[in-house]
Amino acid sequence: GESVGLHLPTLSVQEGDNSIINCAYSNSASDYFIWYKQESGKGPQFIIDIRSNMDKRQGQRVTVLLNKTVKHLSLQIAATQPGDSAVYFCAEGGTSYGKLTFGQGTILTVHP
Amino acid sequence: DTEVTQTPKHLVMGMTNKKSLKCEQHMGHRAMYWYKQKAKKPPELMFVYSYEKLSINESVPSRFSPECPNSSLLNLHLHALQPEDSALYLCASSQDRGGQARDTQYFGPGTRLTVL
Repeated sequence: GESVGLHLPTLSVQEGDNSIINCAYSNSASDYFIWYKQESGKGPQFIIDIRSNMDKRQGQRVTVLLNKTVKHLSLQIAATQPGDSAVYFCAEGGTSYGKLTFGQGTILTVHP
Repeated sequence: DTEVTQTPKHLVMGMTNKKSLKCEQHMGHRAMYWYKQKAKKPPELMFVYSYEKLSINESVPSRFSPECPNSSLLNLHLHALQPEDSALYLCASSQDRGGQARDTQYFGPGTRLTVL
């Protein structure tokens, strides 16, 4: 079946470093992609999204890159802070109303 | 305000109990969702409501019964659950602009359910 997956299940960085979290998707018909951050004991928090007619979108300290040729999505976090430590999920949608397919998640740990 | 609230935060119930989870949003969203999330796993979609009507049921067992009393509220009624139903239950909401499938879903904090 269709799936959204991650290359690295865990990522450890030092405070102040830039972080890159990757995601591969397999449904070429997906046209909407979202990154969520989930801290322990909390619900997923929306970070940034991107439509398939774009290849880059920037937010505050975050950038999402979309490469449709290789079906790859990445989240870049600049100047990573300890508060960025969480599980990060990519999700794809747009092919079926209301349905998001989530990746397995990457655990980001930021060391002071 | 992008807040979705859920009550209770924690719930412990026996297999013969009947309980309900509640979700509320005041963002004017017309699509609401229930997800189930097991530890160290991504959320799994259970139900989708659009304009207070059930539009998607992801083959969820009948011991889970959703209800959407109005555009701001979403309930999940629980009856005769099994221990394997223990999980974090997440509610989400999104706009519904002419049936668009691309509206961002905003999640609540979840209810941590334990079935004994």
